[in-house]
Amino acid sequence: SQQGEEDPQALSIQEGENATMNCSYKTSINNLQWYRQNSGRGLVHLILIRSNEREKHSGRLRVTLDTSKKSSSLLITASRAADTASYFCATGSNDYKLSFGAGTTVTVRA
Amino acid sequence: DAGITQSPRYKITETGRQVTLMCHQTWSHSYMFWYRQDLGHGLRLIYYSAAADITDKGEVPDGYVVSRSKTENFPLTLESATRSQTSVYFCASSESGFTGELFFGEGSRLTVL
Repeated sequence: SQQGEEDPQALSIQEGENATMNCSYKTSINNLQWYRQNSGRGLVHLILIRSNEREKHSGRLRVTLDTSKKSSSLLITASRAADTASYFCATGSNDYKLSFGAGTTVTVRA
Repeated sequence: DAGITQSPRYKITETGRQVTLMCHQTWSHSYMFWYRQDLGHGLRLIYYSAAADITDKGEVPDGYVVSRSKTENFPLTLESATRSQTSVYFCASSESGFTGELFFGEGSRLTVL
């Protein structure tokens, strides 16, 4: 069963704008990760945030985690055409497995 | 080249046939995983392995068999393919445990007619 659920399912933005997507989950976690998948390719790890962390940055990516609300957000600043992809959150729990959501499809228009 | 490779990338087969999807990684990561990706379902874990000769079932293991005689290889076999097994299959590996960062292959797209 899916642990994380991304919102929105799809997002279309203009190049240069920021993109924000959210992930909600149901049970307690050890960490939460975000992955990117370009069309027809495998998933690529973007960032991992541990349950005792609240915010993490990597280049143009900013991830927040609110364990009290069981939610996380991924912000991509100053989007580029190359950011067009699907983005997945994955939660790591004490059942020793990563559970993925269904993803958010982001389209960046030139 | 270093990394994780899957073969074949594309496969069309018929119902009832046996199919094996191969996965090879060059990092010597202990942990390896098989996921399937279907529209609307995200990725679902089929099987995983903590080391050579240690495998365990994931969320959707029925109809699949795995083996791991060597650390670098983790083949997935569909013993008698069904149409519901039409999917994109991803192999992944991790050096930092079951819930660590995963490195994915490019996927194997399987169509069962």
